[in-house]
Amino acid sequence: KAGVTQTPRYLIKTRGQQVTLSCSPISGHRSVSWYQQTPGQGLQFLFEYFSETQRNKGNFPGRFSGRQFSNSRSEMNVSTLELGDSALYLCASSRGENEKLFFGSGTQLSVL
Amino acid sequence: EDQVTQSPEALRLQEGESSSLNCSYTVSGLRGLFWYRQDPGKGPEFLFTLYSAGEEKEKERLKATLTKKESFLHITAPKPEDSATYLCAVQPPVSGSARQLTFGSGTQLTVLP
Repeated sequence: KAGVTQTPRYLIKTRGQQVTLSCSPISGHRSVSWYQQTPGQGLQFLFEYFSETQRNKGNFPGRFSGRQFSNSRSEMNVSTLELGDSALYLCASSRGENEKLFFGSGTQLSVL
Repeated sequence: EDQVTQSPEALRLQEGESSSLNCSYTVSGLRGLFWYRQDPGKGPEFLFTLYSAGEEKEKERLKATLTKKESFLHITAPKPEDSATYLCAVQPPVSGSARQLTFGSGTQLTVLP
């Protein structure tokens, strides 16, 4: 059974640009969550989607957005990139409400 | 606000030298506490979920325990392949989203041969 797939694996962007990251959850998983990981702040919750609806959002500016498609695949978008957005962005999927999260390997974003 | 504190930040052990990692939390109405392992360049890998004080879970050389204020991850006779960062995370109370985990900063474990 394939795990959570995130693309691309690495991204280099410059300040002011925007970026779109993609996540394909495990087959049968309808919930997708996004987390940002940095050395200083650790893992922080961005948002979660279930059945194409955003259920919850963490404490991040509006430049961070996302969506989920009918096949459960999800994308997150960061507009007007800042240096501080450099991080590992992790996607996680779960089968149901209280099921454990399965994480992908992440997209390493570097903003220059 | 939920808080999770892990200690120590880093731990170096000789192969076979058992030890424990600590995760203390402040959350009202804990729904679940998770332990994850993260290798460099990879996403966290699920290890255990604990739900109530007194609960214990084991897997190979790892055993996780839970009290009302903290959780311990005991590593018995570790091997070099156990080297990784171990993360603790808590679910918010029932009123919050089960998938909005609050993570600790992790313990970076190095096991020397």
